[in-house]
Amino acid sequence: EVQLLESGGGLVQPGGSLRLSCVTSGFTFSNYAMSWVRQAPGKGLEWVSTLTGSGDNTYYADSVKGRFTISRDNSKNTLYLQMNSPRAEDTALYYCAKGGSFFPYSWFDPWGQGTLVTVSS
Amino acid sequence: EIVLTQSPGTLSLSPGERATLSCRASQSVSSSYLGWYQQKPGQAPRLLIYGASKRATGTPDRFSGSGSGTDFTLTISRLEPEDFAVYYCQQYGSSPPLFTFGPGTKVDIK
Repeated sequence: EVQLLESGGGLVQPGGSLRLSCVTSGFTFSNYAMSWVRQAPGKGLEWVSTLTGSGDNTYYADSVKGRFTISRDNSKNTLYLQMNSPRAEDTALYYCAKGGSFFPYSWFDPWGQGTLVTVSS
Repeated sequence: EIVLTQSPGTLSLSPGERATLSCRASQSVSSSYLGWYQQKPGQAPRLLIYGASKRATGTPDRFSGSGSGTDFTLTISRLEPEDFAVYYCQQYGSSPPLFTFGPGTKVDIK
């Protein structure tokens, strides 16, 4: 059974930093693109970032480009999201999601349960 | 940038009724790159349909996807109590941005 477990969320001050982790199991991690998707309280889904299976190619939404960095450790089956200089509008539940293939252009299945990030002073 | 619009915003129906949800794209989307997700309160989204019409593993056959170009539809043939939820369409593969979600359609009990 594929499992994704996010951690690292919490309260962070604007301009601070936070690193989210997503530990996975049940599949060959390096064979699949992985993504982060967020959902602000009471709002819809917003794609944040995607990383190919090898980690060689990264993609970001304009809203986080230059501030967030996605990475993976294929030896630990773990995905990361380094959040630098977060803003109040980054407050959301952050989901990690497995892609449908090695390449980035695919659906998300499954999703983790999410980790909540609150940006506030 | 491809923008997805979903209608209606809310659909109020009774169990056993048919639900038809629409997803319209601002530009043509390859049918291979359109998906549908279901999200229940307090839960993560769940993939229902990918490639516009292919059911994901575990998706009941009362769910069906159709469409091409800029107009796509998710149909639930007979609503079960567990189907009352929010449904999002998603396109994947245009660049940039790589992925776009629609704003969602809430299916609630009439």
